[in-house]
Amino acid sequence: GENVEQHPSTLSVQEGDSAVIKCTYSDSASNYFPWYKQELGKRPQLIIDIRSNVGEKKDQRIAVTLNKTAKHFSLHITETQPEDSAVYFCAASMGSNDYKLSFGAGTTVTVRA
Amino acid sequence: GAVVSQHPSRVICKSGTSVKIECRSLDFQATTMFWYRQFPKQSLMLMATSNEGSKATYEQGVEKDKFLINHASLTLSTLTVTSAHPEDSSFYICSARDQSRSSYEQYFGPGTRLTVT
Repeated sequence: GENVEQHPSTLSVQEGDSAVIKCTYSDSASNYFPWYKQELGKRPQLIIDIRSNVGEKKDQRIAVTLNKTAKHFSLHITETQPEDSAVYFCAASMGSNDYKLSFGAGTTVTVRA
Repeated sequence: GAVVSQHPSRVICKSGTSVKIECRSLDFQATTMFWYRQFPKQSLMLMATSNEGSKATYEQGVEKDKFLINHASLTLSTLTVTSAHPEDSSFYICSARDQSRSSYEQYFGPGTRLTVT
């Protein structure tokens, strides 16, 4: 099955700086890559996603890049704010497999004020 | 937007008893729903794929006789943890995709915190 690896496991940044989280996947058939933000005790919240036919997508301070050849994708958060502190998960999915998601291990992001 | 609910949000049960968790898609239909388990400070692990009108598909290592899944309608899937033990204490989350849309996006329920004493 699909195996998603995520790095780093923890990330501490100064408010206003950028944060980057990287993920790799194993199955070249995966074609959908969402990123989730999860606060303690809450459901995962989709913050951005990208399909395999696109190399980059941006939404205000958040961007995702995808390299299909290398099978890796990254989340970029610019101008970080304290409310960006949370656990972030990457995931991979493919339509041919019921769209089920394989999650990375998660990154705990702490934004220092 | 699409909404998925879960009930109950929290449940405490005694070891050896069974607990049922409901997952509902409130404003869309879903032939497929997913059940995840999340232990503290860990990622979401897919337990099973719930299929409306047919048997669930379980991930490797998940006991199908312990985690009973029923998907009786296009808006409701239930997960029953049978003969619960303390090691089953976890955060259980369901998700579903709106089959009427071409989007791959999945919508998550708010989760159910199960504590087995």
